[in-house]
Amino acid sequence: DQQVKQNSPSLSVQEGRISILNCDYTNSMFDYFLWYKKYPAEGPTFLISISSIKDKNEDGRFTVFLNKSAKHLSLHIVPSQPGDSAVYFCAQTGNQFYFGTGTSLTVIP
Amino acid sequence: NAGVTQTPKFQVLKTGQSMTLQCAQDMNHNSMYWYRQDPGMGLRLIYYSASEGTTDKGEVPNGYNVSRLNKREFSLRLESAAPSQTSVYFCASSEERRVTQYFGPGTRLLVL
Repeated sequence: DQQVKQNSPSLSVQEGRISILNCDYTNSMFDYFLWYKKYPAEGPTFLISISSIKDKNEDGRFTVFLNKSAKHLSLHIVPSQPGDSAVYFCAQTGNQFYFGTGTSLTVIP
Repeated sequence: NAGVTQTPKFQVLKTGQSMTLQCAQDMNHNSMYWYRQDPGMGLRLIYYSASEGTTDKGEVPNGYNVSRLNKREFSLRLESAAPSQTSVYFCASSEERRVTQYFGPGTRLLVL
């Protein structure tokens, strides 16, 4: 059973526009959420996180939103840049870490 | 700081062969993890070590064993490799459980 779901395997966005990546989770007991970015042939790198006591966290061009009632997490990238093209994983942590299946973002110049 | 290092980067095994994947971190982290990444499956936790001297099963531990050799090193062993273990393996570490993890570059394993 997938604890964390990313229902969009891929997303294409024009450079300069907003990218919105979505994630749904099932277990409300987990209280910390993270987004990781992964380039081909490299390990994932941490991007941004949010605790369940917040509903928004911002870091430069990246903002994560948490909607606890909907069990939904989203990552907004504004403005999108070609270097943002990568696979993005959301993750949820409690006793263990659970990762989503990833969304491949392509930013078109 | 090298961060998290993994060896080897790539390995081909025949069914039934054994091998050990090595992982080391130089960030003085307490917790270390092994994941596998398969197409359409995301990252799945195999084993983790919350602190030196302890190991626990993750989501997909069958067919694997681990050793937390010391605070720096956490190895993953395949005793009898199977084609289903063809995957990319990532090691990660964190200061403690439930906080940001830092990943190594991965080991690509092909079992024929």
